[in-house]
Amino acid sequence: DVKVTQSSRYLVKRTGEKVFLECVQDMDHENMFWYRQDPGLGLRLIYFSYDVKMKEKGDIPEGYSVSREKKERFSLILESASTNQTSMYLCASSLAGGYLTDTQYFGPGTRLTVL
Amino acid sequence: GDSVTQMEGPVTLSEEAFLTINCTYTATGYPSLFWYVQYPGEGLQLLLKATKADDKGSNKGFEATYRKETTSFHLEKGSVQVSDSAVYFCALTPMDTGRRALTFGSGTRLQVQP
Repeated sequence: DVKVTQSSRYLVKRTGEKVFLECVQDMDHENMFWYRQDPGLGLRLIYFSYDVKMKEKGDIPEGYSVSREKKERFSLILESASTNQTSMYLCASSLAGGYLTDTQYFGPGTRLTVL
Repeated sequence: GDSVTQMEGPVTLSEEAFLTINCTYTATGYPSLFWYVQYPGEGLQLLLKATKADDKGSNKGFEATYRKETTSFHLEKGSVQVSDSAVYFCALTPMDTGRRALTFGSGTRLQVQP
């Protein structure tokens, strides 16, 4: 059974803190993605990675960075958390190395609150 | 840029009612189209997909047909169950650009009452 896991379901942080969100997939997928989900806005792509140490900016990368040191792990970093980064964060992975017609598999999400 | 527009929710239906959730898109090239579902407390999971015009995706009694002429991919089910209560997302990815990620609609919440 395919599996994408995220390190925390709920996280509360203070403004200015450095925040790490971890995602691990066990499917040997090349592509990994970070989205944020906000009411009325759907899912918006923050960053994605198509290989180890490779990354590309998505639609809303400001205030975020990512790290992919191993194929199975993709980390999202908030360098200095702000209240407008309070959101649900979803990680996903997919097999294809090229155009995306393959299924994306999602983790359960991390609900981050920044106070 | 590419975009997906879904009908606003929530959609509230009685069990065994017919469901339609509208989805239209704007994209350059020839996108693949998807419906994802998010059950309460869970991540998204693929419900169905279609990769070319006139294709019909189907799964678990849900269907959607890729209509290039109307740029639509409406989700339908003939008889909904309480267990179908969830948020449904329409999404696309273009085939002829380098973008590797999905563009999502805003989601439509479905509530099915017994």
